[in-house]
Amino acid sequence: KAGVTQTPRYLIKTRGQQVTLSCSPISGHRSVSWYQQTPGQGLQFLFEYFSETQRNKGNFPGRFSGRQFSNSRSEMNVSTLELGDSALYLCASTDRDPTGELFFGEGSRLTVL
Amino acid sequence: GIQVEQSPPDLILQEGANSTLRCNFSDSVNNLQWFHQNPWGQLINLFYIPSGTKQNGRLSATTVATERYSLLYISSSQTTDSGVYFCAVLNSGGYQKVTFGTGTKLQVIP
Repeated sequence: KAGVTQTPRYLIKTRGQQVTLSCSPISGHRSVSWYQQTPGQGLQFLFEYFSETQRNKGNFPGRFSGRQFSNSRSEMNVSTLELGDSALYLCASTDRDPTGELFFGEGSRLTVL
Repeated sequence: GIQVEQSPPDLILQEGANSTLRCNFSDSVNNLQWFHQNPWGQLINLFYIPSGTKQNGRLSATTVATERYSLLYISSSQTTDSGVYFCAVLNSGGYQKVTFGTGTKLQVIP
């Protein structure tokens, strides 16, 4: 069974641009959640989707958005990038809603110049 | 929101030594996991342990939910155990709104 797949793995953007990251969950997993990891703030919850609906959102500005498709794949978008958005973005999926074990992808490392 | 604290923040061990990592949380939880973050950033699942004790080779974990803490034991440490260990909790009533601890950075030296 394939694991959680995130693309792209690495990307470099400049301030003011926008970025879209993709996450394909483990087959059969319907819940997908996103996290941001920075040296200063640690690992922080961004949002969680289940059956194409956002059920929970962390304390991030509206520039951070996401969506989930009918096949459970998810995307997150960051608009008007700032230097502080440089981070490792991790996606996780789970099979047993709502308290199931999380399985993480390898992450997308974003650098904003 | 729920607070999750891990201790110690940094730990240096000689190869072969044993260690105990601790995770304290401030509210009741439905789910607790331990992860090891590899040098490339991926979080590797160690234990899914909302309560009780589990063992996997040289690693074991215990969660005492009523006292709001979890322990991760590493025995006979190896250099490949180096990295950052995180605990993550899902507090009661939350739809996968996971809170991570601050992590323990472990370095095992030969």
